[in-house]
Amino acid sequence: EVQLLESGGGLVQPGGSLRLSCAASGFTFSSYAMSWVRQAPGKGLEWVSTIIANGDTTHYADSVEGRFTISRDNSKNTLYLQMNSLRVEDTATYYCAKGRDSSRISSGWEYWGRGTLVAVSS
Amino acid sequence: QSALTQPASLSGSPGQSITISCTGTSSDIGGHNYVSWYQQHPGKAPKLMIYDVSNRPSGVSTRFSGSKSGNTASLTISGLQAEDESDYYCSSYRNINTVVFGGGTKLTVL
Repeated sequence: EVQLLESGGGLVQPGGSLRLSCAASGFTFSSYAMSWVRQAPGKGLEWVSTIIANGDTTHYADSVEGRFTISRDNSKNTLYLQMNSLRVEDTATYYCAKGRDSSRISSGWEYWGRGTLVAVSS
Repeated sequence: QSALTQPASLSGSPGQSITISCTGTSSDIGGHNYVSWYQQHPGKAPKLMIYDVSNRPSGVSTRFSGSKSGNTASLTISGLQAEDESDYYCSSYRNINTVVFGGGTKLTVL
């Protein structure tokens, strides 16, 4: 059974940093692209970032480019999102999602975690 | 990155068919066959219903179907059931190497 478990969310002040983790199990983690998708309270879904299976290529939404860094450790079956220079508008539930192949960023996300809440406020 | 355009809300009666539209541009929906649809119940993670315009993942009911014409993609739900009441989001690959979502459609089953 595929499982994705996010952690690392919490309350942080504007300008601060957080590192999210997503522990994956139930599939060959190193064979699939992985993504972060967020959802502000009461709002719609927003793609944040994708990393391909071998970790060599990353993609970011304009809204987080230069502030967030996606990475993965295939030996630990874990996906990360380092978030720096956080803004109030980054407040959202952050979901980890599994792609359907190794390299496409929009192949459809068939498995999602339950999400972790990041709140940016002074 | 402006979102794809979806109707904010739709409603239908049990047994009816409804279609949710998702309008983009030639840089996203019109230029690529990489449209997905997600169902999201309150407080839950999204669920993939359609990928690559018209493909259903294993386990998704055949009552759900997807299509595309020009810059507009559509999700059709036939034989509407109470359990279909949910929020629905479309997404598409957009030039270059980004993904964009629609604003979401709240479906009410009357």
